[in-house]
Amino acid sequence: DVKVTQSSRYLVKRTGEKVFLECVQDMDHENMFWYRQDPGLGLRLIYFSYDVKMKEKGDIPEGYSVSREKKERFSLILESASTNQTSMYLCASSLHGGGRPQFFGPGTRLTVL
Amino acid sequence: QQQVKQSPQSLIVQKGGISIINCAYENTAFDYFPWYQQFPGKGPALLIAIRPDVSEKKEGRFTISFNKSAKQFSLHIMDSQPGDSATYFCAASMDSGYQKVTFGTGTKLQVIP
Repeated sequence: DVKVTQSSRYLVKRTGEKVFLECVQDMDHENMFWYRQDPGLGLRLIYFSYDVKMKEKGDIPEGYSVSREKKERFSLILESASTNQTSMYLCASSLHGGGRPQFFGPGTRLTVL
Repeated sequence: QQQVKQSPQSLIVQKGGISIINCAYENTAFDYFPWYQQFPGKGPALLIAIRPDVSEKKEGRFTISFNKSAKQFSLHIMDSQPGDSATYFCAASMDSGYQKVTFGTGTKLQVIP
């Protein structure tokens, strides 16, 4: 079974802190994604990556950056956390299918105080 | 701009009944329509998908109906079971290149015994 794991299930940070969310997939997938999920808004794409060191902005990239140094790992970075970044963050991967996520991780619930 | 509108926001169905979730899209260039299922505490999982060259696709108790002229598609869950209780997201994308997926806002389904 494909597994997408995220480093933390719950995270509490202070406003202005730099936050790292880590995601690892174990099936050699080309594509990896970061979404945020908010009630009533569905899933919104922050960034995706279709190859190592390659990244594309999604719908809401402001305030975020990403890093993909190895194929299996995709990191989301909040440069200076703000309260409006309190959300559920979901990582996903896919082998093919362009920009379509196939397997999701369990999510990280981030609270910024 | 919400390109995929999903309704209802929540749905309660008796065990054995039919659950129906509707989605409408605006972008006529969309040609791939997946549905995702998300259980509490888990990430979404790809459930079933359809392309506009067919009007219906069935997998077990799950059926997608597609109406290209009306720019609408729907998920029907036949013989709904308590284990189907989850949040369902419709989505749409273009099927070529690295086209990102646009998600609906989600429908929380509760199947009561």
